[in-house]
Amino acid sequence: DSGVTQTPKHLITATGQRVTLRCSPRSGDLSVYWYQQSLDQGLQFLIQYYNGEERAKGNILERFSAQQFPDLHSELNLSSLELGDSALYFCASSQDWTSSDTQYFGPGTRLTVL
Amino acid sequence: AQSVTQLGSHVSVSEGALVLLRCNYSSSVPPYLFWYVQYPNQGLQLLLKYTSAATLVKGINGFEAEFKKSETSFHLTKPSAHMSDAAEYFCAVSPSGGNEKLTFGTGTRLTIIP
Repeated sequence: DSGVTQTPKHLITATGQRVTLRCSPRSGDLSVYWYQQSLDQGLQFLIQYYNGEERAKGNILERFSAQQFPDLHSELNLSSLELGDSALYFCASSQDWTSSDTQYFGPGTRLTVL
Repeated sequence: AQSVTQLGSHVSVSEGALVLLRCNYSSSVPPYLFWYVQYPNQGLQLLLKYTSAATLVKGINGFEAEFKKSETSFHLTKPSAHMSDAAEYFCAVSPSGGNEKLTFGTGTRLTIIP
């Protein structure tokens, strides 16, 4: 158990819909990262927040957005969903923002878009 | 920009045999390198990381990796495979300049033959 929690574990929805994925970082961690894992794209970094502010952006679509709240939990919002958005979405957290910090991964949310 | 290449999407070894999973990196700045393991239906767990200290890095579960700058490699090894090592292994890189983005390889699925 990494200490990072993600809800829900599974999500099934239809094309065009909007969903929200939630992540609670390990106690004391200030950075939260979101990753997408799919069969065709592999593991891709989406976005990172540090202490409430966006710090780095990766291959995140404009239909996707995220935020980190004052209690440090984070939400990833996916809208106008397409079949290709079906994937495993991971949240990770680390103490700081430096690249040597270990990122601890949550168990993931499996999103299925029908 | 940094990247990692994992040679061999599938590797099979007999129980008790040497495990060798290959990772080569490309980075314009000195990199930090990581190996993560993903068991079925679980998140990623850090095995070990190289952050420019000792070139031979020991991790959990008997794994180790050696950073070889001349070969731009960071191969993962374990002297004696156990059935419990069956999983998917990911090599990842981030630049040491403070950018915390992790770039993952495509993964190697390790199968242990009884």
